Amino acid sequence: GIQVEQSPPDLILQEGANSTLRCNFSDSVNNLQWFHQNPWGQLINLFYIPSGTKQNGRLSATTVATERYSLLYISSSQTTDSGVYFCAVDSFNNAGNMLTFGGGTRLMVKP
Amino acid sequence: DSGVTQTPKHLITATGQRVTLRCSPRSGDLSVYWYQQSLDQGLQFLIQYYNGEERAKGNILERFSAQQFPDLHSELNLSSLELGDSALYFCASGTEPYEQYFGPGTRLTVT
Repeated sequence: GIQVEQSPPDLILQEGANSTLRCNFSDSVNNLQWFHQNPWGQLINLFYIPSGTKQNGRLSATTVATERYSLLYISSSQTTDSGVYFCAVDSFNNAGNMLTFGGGTRLMVKP
Repeated sequence: DSGVTQTPKHLITATGQRVTLRCSPRSGDLSVYWYQQSLDQGLQFLIQYYNGEERAKGNILERFSAQQFPDLHSELNLSSLELGDSALYFCASGTEPYEQYFGPGTRLTVT
């Protein structure tokens, strides 16, 4: 099946700093989503981005499907950005529409 | 709020028991997905239903089963529970092959 790798696994930032999270995947995809899992366990949709670039406030994401990677940018980080960020993909070769998740990037933003 | 509801939020039960987790999808979504998040396995796809029919199957144990009813709500049944089944169980809904929206999860503790 498709493999998804996220880097870095852990990240500690001072409030106000910028960061880039990376997601590499091993096959062509028809779905790529970024999620934020908050300390209460909720999975919050950030972006649906199988290709191209999107921005939402301080967050933006870019997926280069031909090179099989996606980047999530967080600017001017805040303590509320802390949590785990997951990338998840669905391969064209999958039956149905199952998401395969990466291992996540655990972000801690210090005040 | 994603629009996906799950009950119960927490469940504590003993080994060998059987439990049922319930999910109501977003209005208009025909697909329901079940995922398991455990400390050792990460987030894993279990099973997908589309308009009442099983659509895709992932790493779902034979002790687990699911169904989707005519009103599109879904239930995940877990039987002969083991300590290792303790996890956060998520339901998601969506419209193939696009974005999936996750519910708040059911935290299962097997003692």
